[in-house]
Amino acid sequence: AQSVSQHNHHVILSEAASLELGCNYSYGGTVNLFWYVQYPGQHLQLLLKYFSGDPLVKGIKGFEAEFIKSKFSFNLRKPSVQWSDTAEYFCAVYNSGTYKYIFGTGTRLKVLA
Amino acid sequence: GAVVSQHPSWVICKSGTSVKIECRSLDFQATTMFWYRQFPKQSLMLMATSNEGSKATYEQGVEKDKFLINHASLTLSTLTVTSAHPEDSSFYICSARTQTTGSLNTGELFFGEGSRLTVL
Repeated sequence: AQSVSQHNHHVILSEAASLELGCNYSYGGTVNLFWYVQYPGQHLQLLLKYFSGDPLVKGIKGFEAEFIKSKFSFNLRKPSVQWSDTAEYFCAVYNSGTYKYIFGTGTRLKVLA
Repeated sequence: GAVVSQHPSWVICKSGTSVKIECRSLDFQATTMFWYRQFPKQSLMLMATSNEGSKATYEQGVEKDKFLINHASLTLSTLTVTSAHPEDSSFYICSARTQTTGSLNTGELFFGEGSRLTVL
């Protein structure tokens, strides 16, 4: 069965620290990959997405993610986090064959001012 | 960006009653909406895919008669939790997908605010 794994459930960083959140998926076919973010009290919203082309994707607020097909990974990175990045981050895979999205369990990030 | 509105944002009800949650796409037409359930510290679990004008497609293990989904128009889908019990208490989230021109296979999801249901 298709699945998405996020290895870090809770991450605590100080401001200006670098961030990398892991995401691995299990599916051999064509996938579209997403990172969604949920700020406290707000909707889930799109951070960035990968459909094809350059495997290094840049998103909003200085975030980027790299798709490594051989590793089935789509890790999220940010060189210098801010207090306002405190949120929960979800990796998601869209299977265009089944028209379904599968979400990871989420990573709760807390940035200390 | 596209806006999806969900109502109510939270509801408390007695065991045995039914609760309806609405999901509206405010500035776009959503032929497909998704209903998710989120348990504490867990991921979003897809419950069903709602298609306008047709029956919803339920995921394995989701009771169709328990969670009634209606998608009567291109901007509204409803989830009704029938004869709710305490174990139905959860956070329910809807989302809608836009269709990019020329492709049915891509499109980000736009999420509602979520509805927290507490069944006493």
